[in-house]
Amino acid sequence: NAGVTQTPKFQVLKTGQSMTLQCAQDMNHNSMYWYRQDPGMGLRLIYYSASEGTTDKGEVPNGYNVSRLNKREFSLRLESAAPSQTSVYFCASSADRAPYEQYFGPGTRLTVT
Amino acid sequence: GIQVEQSPPDLILQEGANSTLRCNFSDSVNNLQWFHQNPWGQLINLFYIPSGTKQNGRLSATTVATERYSLLYISSSQTTDSGVYFCASWTSYDKVIFGPGTSLSVIP
Repeated sequence: NAGVTQTPKFQVLKTGQSMTLQCAQDMNHNSMYWYRQDPGMGLRLIYYSASEGTTDKGEVPNGYNVSRLNKREFSLRLESAAPSQTSVYFCASSADRAPYEQYFGPGTRLTVT
Repeated sequence: GIQVEQSPPDLILQEGANSTLRCNFSDSVNNLQWFHQNPWGQLINLFYIPSGTKQNGRLSATTVATERYSLLYISSSQTTDSGVYFCASWTSYDKVIFGPGTSLSVIP
């Protein structure tokens, strides 16, 4: 039981490049989330998926797209990376019944130069 | 939207000391969770506590939903408790709000 896994752990991109961050969970959770954490700050929600086949915007969705590939996997895509997207990205999942606690992956540290 | 405040922003403790961290939220919430982010960046679940009191070893938490605050107690602190403590609250999936965190340093 690995919980929530993310790949890659680290990535450096040049401005304008694209990439996809991968996330998978093995807890049979319906809900999955993508957050970003900037230095010295808490996490901010980018996108979430309440169930397979649905996705919705969170607080800071601009510049990102997501895909809920199946119940296990939720990917985050940067189509044209910008330096402002330099951040640590966390994926999380939660059950859709109480308790609704969120479980986080180890994070992806992304630098855009 | 919901605002989440945490206090104190920074805390330095001598090993063995006790501390109380506070999380205030501006509106009624159905969910509240405490996390510890260790120095390596990993987010560790501490408590899911929308109301009431829970204890886990040296840590305990209390949420008074009617008064819109939650407290995290750390007793007999250890150097491994160092890191940043976040609370997060939400009413629905699209309104998950993290507080700014309390940075804790426990010195031997």
